[in-house]
Amino acid sequence: DTEVTQTPKHLVMGMTNKKSLKCEQHMGHRAMYWYKQKAKKPPELMFVYSYEKLSINESVPSRFSPECPNSSLLNLHLHALQPEDSALYLCASSFRGEAPYEQYFGPGTRLTVT
Amino acid sequence: GESVGLHLPTLSVQEGDNSIINCAYSNSASDYFIWYKQESGKGPQFIIDIRSNMDKRQGQRVTVLLNKTVKHLSLQIAATQPGDSAVYFCAEKPNRGSTLGRLYFGRGTQLTVWP
Repeated sequence: DTEVTQTPKHLVMGMTNKKSLKCEQHMGHRAMYWYKQKAKKPPELMFVYSYEKLSINESVPSRFSPECPNSSLLNLHLHALQPEDSALYLCASSFRGEAPYEQYFGPGTRLTVT
Repeated sequence: GESVGLHLPTLSVQEGDNSIINCAYSNSASDYFIWYKQESGKGPQFIIDIRSNMDKRQGQRVTVLLNKTVKHLSLQIAATQPGDSAVYFCAEKPNRGSTLGRLYFGRGTQLTVWP
């Protein structure tokens, strides 16, 4: 199984809503990532978890709150977002900085903030 | 990878022709490079990778060339097909100061294949 799954596929939320994005992998990877991607731009790293611990936070606003309940699951909790936060949110996983370094990406959640 | 810019380079090729997508990377200390393909509405998909101790690596219909002297990476696609239409990203992993295999992405190239 080389698949990273993400739910939901699409999400529309108001600026006062609270919602969560979910990501799951069963490849035994111990590093998991959240990326944000705007149209026609490369993915921008937001957070990295290693062995369920937050290792990198790329100065992401606190309205984005990541959580890693176990080695297979990664959540991104959203609260009080802004319209400019509308983007494709990608989850990825890899073998925690060890070879092979390839990151496997999920299909993403298309988020629209109204 | 290349710095993020406003313009997404494009490449249009005819079906059956060979495609060459180029990428200039920024960190001479990078020791691993990877190419991703991203179709519309989907996440990036691994195509091929190469380590810095290699100059060339071949896959199925794809070849990656690495020129460390000029910090240049290229992806060659043989006999391009309509299904190859996508945005292609290169990514690099520095061997210093890069924890957890962190990747830095280039800005991407939109490949369009026309019949």
